Amino acid sequence: SQQGEEDPQALSIQEGENATMNCSYKTSINNLQWYRQNSGRGLVHLILIRSNEREKHSGRLRVTLDTSKKSSSLLITASRAADTASYFCATDVNGDMRFGAGTRLTVKP
Amino acid sequence: EAGVAQSPRYKIIEKRQSVAFWCNPISGHATLYWYQQILGQGPKLLIQFQNNGVVDDSQLPKDRFSAERLKGVDSTLKIQPAKLEDSAVYLCASSLVRENTIYFGEGSWLTVV
Repeated sequence: SQQGEEDPQALSIQEGENATMNCSYKTSINNLQWYRQNSGRGLVHLILIRSNEREKHSGRLRVTLDTSKKSSSLLITASRAADTASYFCATDVNGDMRFGAGTRLTVKP
Repeated sequence: EAGVAQSPRYKIIEKRQSVAFWCNPISGHATLYWYQQILGQGPKLLIQFQNNGVVDDSQLPKDRFSAERLKGVDSTLKIQPAKLEDSAVYLCASSLVRENTIYFGEGSWLTVV
């Protein structure tokens, strides 16, 4: 069964705008990770946030985690056409990684 | 550092036939995963190995799917007999230890006709 649920399912923005994707989950977690998948390719790890962390940054990515609400958000700032991809959150419960259905992001040039 | 290698990249078979996928994880990675990803959905964990032992295979359809990881390195995933609903991408992934970043291969695309 899948643990995380991403919202929205699809997002379309203009280049230069910010994109925000949300992930909700059901059980307590050790950490939460975000992955990107370009069409026809494997998943690429973006960022990992542990259950005792609230915010993490990596380049143009900002991830927040609210364990009381069992939710996380991924913010991509100053988006580029190359950011067009599907984004998945994955929850780690004692080494058991479960993925959501993903958000399909389209960045228009 | 070499990534996770998978083969074949693409496979088309008829229903009721068998197919096998091979995976070579990143060197030194103890944990190996097989995921099934149906078009438009997120990856679904089929089986997880820690070295050559199975940690979780609760979502593996054991009547038709089997997987092994001999000597704790390479792994094979077999489907026999295949059904139409098995059409998906089969992703192999590995991590240094559990509770760590997972690295994915490019996937093996299976079409069952």
